[in-house]
Amino acid sequence: QSALTQPASVSGSPGQSITISCTGTSSDVGSYNFVSWYQQHPGKAPKLMIYEGSKRPLGVSNRLSGSKSGNTASLTISGLQAEDEADYHCCSYAGSNTWVFGGGTRVTVL
Amino acid sequence: QLQLQESGPGRVKPSETLSLTCTVSGGSISSNYFYWGWIRQPPGKGLEWIGNIYYSGTTYYNPSLKSRVTMSVDTSKNQFSLNLRSVTAADTAVYYCARLGSDYDWVFWGQGTLVTVSS
Repeated sequence: QSALTQPASVSGSPGQSITISCTGTSSDVGSYNFVSWYQQHPGKAPKLMIYEGSKRPLGVSNRLSGSKSGNTASLTISGLQAEDEADYHCCSYAGSNTWVFGGGTRVTVL
Repeated sequence: QLQLQESGPGRVKPSETLSLTCTVSGGSISSNYFYWGWIRQPPGKGLEWIGNIYYSGTTYYNPSLKSRVTMSVDTSKNQFSLNLRSVTAADTAVYYCARLGSDYDWVFWGQGTLVTVSS
């Protein structure tokens, strides 16, 4: 069970759109529609932003959207705002009641 | 509102056992459908799933940690616990307890507790 692969950092200017990739394998991301995304500010616990690949919990901005193609899931943040600056982590169900996370991506608003 | 709170020593010596407890409030740990889990984050790194436990005591562990991990549950205290044996500096991390939702997502998290492995 290897960690999902995320870019270490992604940056964008206010108002722009950015996309964070999360690459797994046919044993995790590619096999299940259970990819979730978490936002984490420094010193804080992660917060669920996207579940089941593309669904947003109540209260999460519709500027965030999730998708999947093959073994790669993606999180897009449109209309980038200063409050979006944080770390983002992806997570996938990997079968047999196991889960795997990505290495995390630092989003910087320029 | 469901709340989770980790507790335990902030420092553990190499080769010893790391022991943490998660206390759940605002809801019952015996609720159907929900698993309870431990997730850790080494300083400056990503999250790592450690394992899950159901109120009945059924457990599932990360294969890479399985030989050193034991999780248990105490429904009378609304708590679940983590034991990680033979720790090394690589086990230094913030340890979070969390609830796994029916959509296979982690909605509720504790605030996290830093455990440092050092002599």
